[in-house]
Amino acid sequence: RKEVEQDPGPFNVPEGATVAFNCTYSNSASQSFFWYRQDCRKEPKLLMSVYSSGNEDGRFTAQLNRASQYISLLIRDSKLSDSATYLCVVNNDYKLSFGAGTTVTVRA
Amino acid sequence: EAGVAQSPRYKIIEKRQSVAFWCNPISGHATLYWYQQILGQGPKLLIQFQNNGVVDDSQLPKDRFSAERLKGVDSTLKIQPAKLEDSAVYLCASSSRSGVEKLFFGSGTQLSVL
Repeated sequence: RKEVEQDPGPFNVPEGATVAFNCTYSNSASQSFFWYRQDCRKEPKLLMSVYSSGNEDGRFTAQLNRASQYISLLIRDSKLSDSATYLCVVNNDYKLSFGAGTTVTVRA
Repeated sequence: EAGVAQSPRYKIIEKRQSVAFWCNPISGHATLYWYQQILGQGPKLLIQFQNNGVVDDSQLPKDRFSAERLKGVDSTLKIQPAKLEDSAVYLCASSSRSGVEKLFFGSGTQLSVL
């Protein structure tokens, strides 16, 4: 079983729509979690950390479910500029494991 | 603030040749990472340095890959000899602490092995 698994998508959504996707992780002792964004042919950039209580950053909401060992990302009111690959990242003792990414395409 | 610098941006070599990549992290960042990202996959950690010491190189194919970080600043990653399956983007990243709160990535080196 992979350490971090993501639905590769692609999720094709119209502008203004809400899109959500999950990421599962295998190590129940994982300490912290992140979402990174990677545009086509660009480097990954931190989008947000994921806290146990859930957190929002503008139109983005991240949730953590430790019991079921998954994290989620929800994007509200999608913009064309949200088109990217979203990488789920899990920290185990200061070692980061990246998922393969979920591709989101927002169409006009 | 200057970002993570990497060079070259692109490299094309034939199998069995050698290649080297260079990375200069953000000034003051103690932790430096080299990742390999194969098309369609997430980045895979090759080696992690804390200052000039190796923290994790468990996934580095040591028979052909080597890396060093002299003086705890910039770093080089070398592949010798290259194989077809080494075709990938090699990303360098740095962070300000041994923690992993935020990694800053360079633009990467796209390697094609023919």
